[in-house]
Amino acid sequence: QQQVKQSPQSLIVQKGGISIINCAYENTAFDYFPWYQQFPGKGPALLIAIRPDVSEKKEGRFTISFNKSAKQFSLHIMDSQPGDSATYFCAASGWGGSQGNLIFGKGTKLSVKP
Amino acid sequence: DAGVTQSPTHLIKTRGQQVTLRCSPKSGHDTVSWYQQALGQGPQFIFQYYEEEERQRGNFPDRFSGHQFPNYSSELNVNALLLGDSALYLCASSLGHEASTFGSGTRLTVV
Repeated sequence: QQQVKQSPQSLIVQKGGISIINCAYENTAFDYFPWYQQFPGKGPALLIAIRPDVSEKKEGRFTISFNKSAKQFSLHIMDSQPGDSATYFCAASGWGGSQGNLIFGKGTKLSVKP
Repeated sequence: DAGVTQSPTHLIKTRGQQVTLRCSPKSGHDTVSWYQQALGQGPQFIFQYYEEEERQRGNFPDRFSGHQFPNYSSELNVNALLLGDSALYLCASSLGHEASTFGSGTRLTVV
């Protein structure tokens, strides 16, 4: 099955709090798991990505946690800021290492309250 | 450094018409992928072009076709437009194992 399931659909967090978004996949052939951030009227922009040979990757306030056995991965946004308010998509790809053919989750709309 | 450029930004078409959307990839990128993003949904893969050939295709009818030119730019054509084709059409470019860079999209409205 070529699906990526994302939750929650929406999330409200206070400024300075931690935002957590979860994704689950079924296809064990997936080997690249990016997270994208999308603002209204814009295309998705890559935030951070991970491959299944590591369990965690951190870039600034953004961390991906990856659980290969559970086929789950999550995005943690530390010290969430109002400027982080956007829609976040997890995605997965497994076609020969190319970064095309991304399978996206349905998205999580994050609102960070001041 | 210019990113991915898409044109036009907005388009209104009538059912049954045909539309062509255009994409210029990020400098240095040789692979172009097209996605359809319905309102409130994640992008869905339409197809990918590399070396002027369709390399992979998602679950879209053959009303959706494309082309890649020698300069790596690409077009997406949709024939016999349906109301359900109304969406944001995103172009993404990449090179090898680098992450895909997305354009801001073309908002297509079919009336």
